[in-house]
Amino acid sequence: GAGVSQSPSNKVTEKGKDVELRCDPISGHTALYWYRQSLGQGLEFLIYFQGNSAPDKSGLPSDRFSAERTGGSVSTLTIQRTQQEDSAVYLCASSLDPAANTGELFFGEGSRLTVL
Amino acid sequence: DQQVKQNSPSLSVQEGRISILNCDYTNSMFDYFLWYKKYPAEGPTFLISISSIKDKNEDGRFTVFLNKSAKHLSLHIVPSQPGDSAVYFCAASAGGYQKVTFGTGTKLQVIP
Repeated sequence: GAGVSQSPSNKVTEKGKDVELRCDPISGHTALYWYRQSLGQGLEFLIYFQGNSAPDKSGLPSDRFSAERTGGSVSTLTIQRTQQEDSAVYLCASSLDPAANTGELFFGEGSRLTVL
Repeated sequence: DQQVKQNSPSLSVQEGRISILNCDYTNSMFDYFLWYKKYPAEGPTFLISISSIKDKNEDGRFTVFLNKSAKHLSLHIVPSQPGDSAVYFCAASAGGYQKVTFGTGTKLQVIP
């Protein structure tokens, strides 16, 4: 597709269950980011990928959160043993080669996670 | 530690008037600044940016001003239109390092 694609768009889960959120970046974009926006909050950085490696995962809130990227393309964010405070919109973004990038990110529409 | 701050959570402006959205930052390593616009149920979209070597960048109705000594930037929208009603995020990055840090956003309402 032409833009960043995220799935599912909405996910309701019970506390303690694991969830996987998927991001398909724009073709040719080597950098991929995960952010989240909790209710009433700004965009919180989670993790950044350059190719398949993650030079910066400093924003992951706890060891229940993990992410991987394969083939320099699709990324999956996994949240284990979900808690109510994990409820948020999880946004994925991609960008061109950072060496030539000035910070402009292209965002998907987000995955809204609700933990009951 | 909030490195990019938008102290006004909301702003209301009459159609046709100027909207001024403000942003402050604390990290002196930031050298590129961006504004994003977000409509409900959509991802943020890039609006305008400015490099730290400049103090102004203009694109149509949108102008961003940067005051490095004050670590302050602002976005001016003139004239404001109802379609400009959205949440505006200020963001910043440090050269060569692509983590983009966002502010908490300002919700702009343009009243017809």
